[in-house]
Amino acid sequence: NAGVTQTPKFQVLKTGQSMTLQCAQDMNHNSMYWYRQDPGMGLRLIYYSASEGTTDKGEVPNGYNVSRLNKREFSLRLESAAPSQTSVYFCASSPTGSNQPQHFGDGTRLSIL
Amino acid sequence: QKEVEQNSGPLSVPEGAIASLNCTYSDRGSQSFFWYRQYSGKSPELIMFIYSNGDKEDGRFTAQLNKASQYVSLLIRDSQPSDSATYLCAALPSSARQLTFGSGTQLTVLP
Repeated sequence: NAGVTQTPKFQVLKTGQSMTLQCAQDMNHNSMYWYRQDPGMGLRLIYYSASEGTTDKGEVPNGYNVSRLNKREFSLRLESAAPSQTSVYFCASSPTGSNQPQHFGDGTRLSIL
Repeated sequence: QKEVEQNSGPLSVPEGAIASLNCTYSDRGSQSFFWYRQYSGKSPELIMFIYSNGDKEDGRFTAQLNKASQYVSLLIRDSQPSDSATYLCAALPSSARQLTFGSGTQLTVLP
């Protein structure tokens, strides 16, 4: 019972490099989310996908792009990484809509030098 | 003003006591409320959700919602050291389509 799987778990990048964070869920959920968590800041929504084929900006979308590849997979891309994007990134999913509980992956710890 | 506010703590209670965690929200039209537990270095884990005014109990946990006063609380009875974690409150504002999280309250249960 994997739930929400994120890869990689850890990553170190240099400023200006690009990378894609992967997320997959096996719960047949329609909605998926990407958050970042910084010390003392709680969880902030970057992008979300209410259903397959749709994506929308959250609170802090600048510097990121997303792709909802299919119902299971939702990826987050950093085109040109900046030190301010050093954070822990969580992917989550919910059955349909944000009035239902979200289930989180284990997170990706990303450091940008 | 943040949409969802929590006292960051740390909150310390002795083992066996009741831990009371509080959360206030600014959007009076908020409908759905969630409590997550997050151990250090781990991902958030759903504990409870509540949609209606009043209390909702699940084992040692009770969520309380008071929409008139715009607060939601989480009570943990018979607190255990394993309850030591950061507790995140989240609300769905009427003005937004997605959850807003508080910054969390760090709870320590002392043996």
